[in-house]
Amino acid sequence: GENVEQHPSTLSVQEGDSAVIKCTYSDSASNYFPWYKQELGKRPQLIIDIRSNVGEKKDQRIAVTLNKTAKHFSLHITETQPEDSAVYFCAASADRRPGNTPLVFGKGTRLSVIA
Amino acid sequence: DSGVTQTPKHLITATGQRVTLRCSPRSGDLSVYWYQQSLDQGLQFLIQYYNGEERAKGNILERFSAQQFPDLHSELNLSSLELGDSALYFCASSVVSKSDEQFFGPGTRLTVL
Repeated sequence: GENVEQHPSTLSVQEGDSAVIKCTYSDSASNYFPWYKQELGKRPQLIIDIRSNVGEKKDQRIAVTLNKTAKHFSLHITETQPEDSAVYFCAASADRRPGNTPLVFGKGTRLSVIA
Repeated sequence: DSGVTQTPKHLITATGQRVTLRCSPRSGDLSVYWYQQSLDQGLQFLIQYYNGEERAKGNILERFSAQQFPDLHSELNLSSLELGDSALYFCASSVVSKSDEQFFGPGTRLTVL
C-alpha cells in the first residue's frame, strides 16, 4: 500500500521568512496530493491540492510542487505570518472511481512562526 | 464549517464499554471515511463507505465496526474500549463526481478512563 513520508517534523521560522515542507510517496498510482492545516483540537482543513497532471500550483502565499518521477511533493509558504503556525499534513490518494481511495497522511509538520 | 457534522463532540467513558460515534456527510456526498488521530500522532485511516457499501479498510481493530445507512449517515462503533483507544475520531466525506477533496467534520474526542 501507499506510504507517505513527511519532513521535517518541526519547523521554526521568523515571521516574513519562507517555510518548505517536503513529502515523498511510494505508490506510483497515487495521483491526488492535498495539504491540510490543523490547528490544535480542530479539524484538518484543506489549504491546497495538486493532481498528477500538474507540476505546480499556487494560491497567494501558498504553493505546491510535484515531481512525479521522484515521487515527491512540497509545500511552500512565503511571507509567513504568526497565524500560519499549525500542524501541516501532506497526503496522497489514487483515483479509483467510483469512490476515491482513502487519504494516506504523512506524520505532520509542526510549523511555528516567530514574531 | 465543512458541512460534515459529527456527534457527540466529546465522549468520556470507561474501559470495557461500547460507544457509537455518528457522522452526517455533506449533502450529496456518497463517500464517508473514518480516521483516528491519537495524541501527537498523524491521521490513521480506519474505514471507508461508498453509497452504503464498505469500500476500503485500513488499520481498524476487530473491536471496531462501522456502517453507512440509506440516508448516507455513518456510525462508528467502538467496543471493549481500552485506554489506548482515547483519540480524536474524524469523519470525512467526498463527492466523487467533482473532486477528490475530502471534507472533514469537527471530530469526536473520545476519552477512555
